Amino acid sequence: KAGVTQTPRYLIKTRGQQVTLSCSPISGHRSVSWYQQTPGQGLQFLFEYFSETQRNKGNFPGRFSGRQFSNSRSEMNVSTLELGDSALYLCASIGASGGPSEQFFGPGTRLTVL
Amino acid sequence: AQSVSQHNHHVILSEAASLELGCNYSYGGTVNLFWYVQYPGQHLQLLLKYFSGDPLVKGIKGFEAEFIKSKFSFNLRKPSVQWSDTAEYFCAVTSKGSYIPTFGRGTSLIVHP
Repeated sequence: KAGVTQTPRYLIKTRGQQVTLSCSPISGHRSVSWYQQTPGQGLQFLFEYFSETQRNKGNFPGRFSGRQFSNSRSEMNVSTLELGDSALYLCASIGASGGPSEQFFGPGTRLTVL
Repeated sequence: AQSVSQHNHHVILSEAASLELGCNYSYGGTVNLFWYVQYPGQHLQLLLKYFSGDPLVKGIKGFEAEFIKSKFSFNLRKPSVQWSDTAEYFCAVTSKGSYIPTFGRGTSLIVHP
């Protein structure tokens, strides 16, 4: 099976712009989660989508939004970018086994805001 | 809300030294426990996990972790590290019924050859 893929891998934006990141989960996985990783802060949970619905949400401002399509692919959007949004954005998917499971992570999108 | 503490933020070792990375969590109920590793330039991947049963779990590349419920701990160990173990290590916890793990802030491990 192909792993979780994320595009683009690198992005450079300026303050005030908006950005859209894409994630394709492992085939058959219906849950997609997004995380922001910064040095010293670890992974901060943004939100999780399951069957096109946001099922869980972290403590990020409304500038951060997402959606999921019927094929389970997910997008994350950040509007009005700030310097502090510079980070590695990770996407992870989970299989629908019904029990506990680990998350499978993509390589991430490195966002730099100038 | 549950929290996860990794006490060692930066660890520097020489090859063949023993490793123990601490992880404590705050949730009092049933938990699932994970250690993930992120090698330089690579994606985050699972090192090992504990769901139930034997509290001593073995993972890939010679790593193991012990779940001590009374101490709310899940420390990661390796008897002899290699240069290739240089990476960032994250402890993560999910509570029963949740699919969303809470991650620790990570420990950066540098192993000198």
